[in-house]
Amino acid sequence: DAGVTQSPTHLIKTRGQQVTLRCSPKSGHDTVSWYQQALGQGPQFIFQYYEEEERQRGNFPDRFSGHQFPNYSSELNVNALLLGDSALYLCASSFGPGRVTDYNSPLHFGNGTRLTVT
Amino acid sequence: EDQVTQSPEALRLQEGESSSLNCSYTVSGLRGLFWYRQDPGKGPEFLFTLYSAGEEKEKERLKATLTKKESFLHITAPKPEDSATYLCAVQGYGGYNKLIFGAGTRLAVHP
Repeated sequence: DAGVTQSPTHLIKTRGQQVTLRCSPKSGHDTVSWYQQALGQGPQFIFQYYEEEERQRGNFPDRFSGHQFPNYSSELNVNALLLGDSALYLCASSFGPGRVTDYNSPLHFGNGTRLTVT
Repeated sequence: EDQVTQSPEALRLQEGESSSLNCSYTVSGLRGLFWYRQDPGKGPEFLFTLYSAGEEKEKERLKATLTKKESFLHITAPKPEDSATYLCAVQGYGGYNKLIFGAGTRLAVHP
């Protein structure tokens, strides 16, 4: 049973460039969330996609955008990269709110994409 | 605003030396409190979900407990393979599966 997969594993970009990160959810999951984890910190919620729509968003600027495809995979796009965007970007999947009796379907995380902005 | 504070930031134990990690939280209505383990270069791995004060859950050498303001992760007779960062997160009524994480406790267990 494949877990959450993310690509690429590492990426180096220059300030001002744009980047796209990709995620395939765990088999059977239909909801994808993205988190940013700075060094030495806990993950911070960026946004969540369900039924191909952004359902929730954290305190991140519009430079951060995303997309969910019909097969439930997702992309995270970051425009006009800043040095402060350097972090581990984590994708997490779960069952959607309409498919579980247990509201707190635990998140399953991928191993992340390490983004370095120089 | 929902908030999670974990202590200590780092903990060094000898193999077999039991201890506890603390997670203090403030949340506008708790839907669930989660514990995750994170190894270097990896994503967080789910350990437990706790829903209400007084609840306890166990897995091997780990036991998680919950009060109205705190959660504890007790580690009994730890082994070097328990070395990792332990993350605590809460979900409030603000959104489905939107977790607020603490900064984590880095645990090192030495032989």
